[in-house]
Parts: sequence; structure tokens; C-alpha cells
Amino acid sequence: LAKTTQPISMDSYEGQEVNITCSHNNIATNDYITWYQQFPSQGPRFIIQGYKTKVTNEVASLFIPADRKSSTLSLPRVSLSDTAVYYCPLMNTGFQKLVFGTGTRLLVSP
Amino acid sequence: NAGVTQTPKFQVLKTGQSMTLQCAQDMNHNSMYWYRQDPGMGLRLIYYSASEGTTDKGEVPNGYNVSRLNKREFSLRLESAAPSQTSVYFCASSGGGQRGPNQPQHFGDGTRLSIL
Repeated sequence: LAKTTQPISMDSYEGQEVNITCSHNNIATNDYITWYQQFPSQGPRFIIQGYKTKVTNEVASLFIPADRKSSTLSLPRVSLSDTAVYYCPLMNTGFQKLVFGTGTRLLVSP
Repeated sequence: NAGVTQTPKFQVLKTGQSMTLQCAQDMNHNSMYWYRQDPGMGLRLIYYSASEGTTDKGEVPNGYNVSRLNKREFSLRLESAAPSQTSVYFCASSGGGQRGPNQPQHFGDGTRLSIL
């Protein structure tokens, strides 16, 4: 499984849309793209996953271009409670394993 | 539902001591995992169990052993603790099997382990 690359940190303000990018140049055919959120002193929490194009759920959208070498997590109208570290590990369908990179630390200010 | 429960939450050991970290899930998941997370880093997979009765090495298995006691429980053992094993340990589980291959992982809140 390939490790992913993300910006180390991002800053935003309440009410703004935040887009966090993830690079996975060596993604394999049977890899899915997943995103997790982690608060201090807690385990990661699943946000969203996708294989290609766009996926949307009640909390986020995931955009994946045709070549699948990158992905973008979009958080609409962030609040202070969205301050956390966001990871984009790939998940291999066959082995069900995740490989985490160092994540993006998002800080939302009033 | 409790989800994934890890015990203990905190532990301090001396170098050379042994210890078992416990993990239990109540979601009837097939697969379970142990990760470690060092400061400022992402999680690294130590061992995983795709189903009851099977275990496999992950990225950083040296110095650890695991036991999949039954479908609910997956323990991690440090036979002779070393300062380099000071870390936060997370257990996770996922459905897998008949539920389909792309099930998200559910994590516990971690065990903070310090080895002096």
C-alpha cells in the first residue's frame, strides 16, 4: 500500500468551506481512498470513502479526478469543532489494511 | 453500543517488563487491528487479524505479539518492553467478510503507554 502526502497544516475561519488535498501517485487499481478525522486523545473517526468521481455524505464531499492520483476532502461551512487532524489513508480491497500518512492539522478560528 | 473498548487507558512500565493490552469490540466485526501512534506522526499498523483464528504482521511488528482470543477480543503483548515502544496504541475493527470488502475501521480511544 502506498503512503499518501498531505499539507501539514491549514487554517480557516468559521463558516468557510475547507478543501484538504491528498496526493497518492502510486495508488493501485484495487485501492479505495478513505478519510478519517482525529481529535486529541481520541482514535480516528471515519468520514468518507470513494473510488472515483464524487462522493457526498451528510458531513463532507470527496472529489477524485479520473487518474485517481489525488483526492480532495471538502468540508462545507466549518465550525470550531472541526479543528482536528485529517488523514487520507488508502485501503486495499483485498487486504483491508490502511496506511496512514502524517495527516493535515486543521485549525478553525472564530 | 460501546464500539471498541481498550484497557487500560494509561500505563507506565519499566524497561524489560511485560504487559498485555486488551481490546474488545461489540459490533460483530470480523477484522481487528493494532496500531501505534508516535508524536506528530500518523498511525502505523503493528498486527491485524482478518478473521477469527488468523493474525498477520503489519508495518512494525517487531517486539510485539498478538492473540485473537475470539471474534470479540484481540490482545497485544509486549514481552520485554523497551523505551522505543513508548507510544499511544489504538485498536480498531471493521466488518469485512459477508458485509463486503470496503468497510470503514472503527477505533478505540487508545492506550497511552510510557516505558521508563
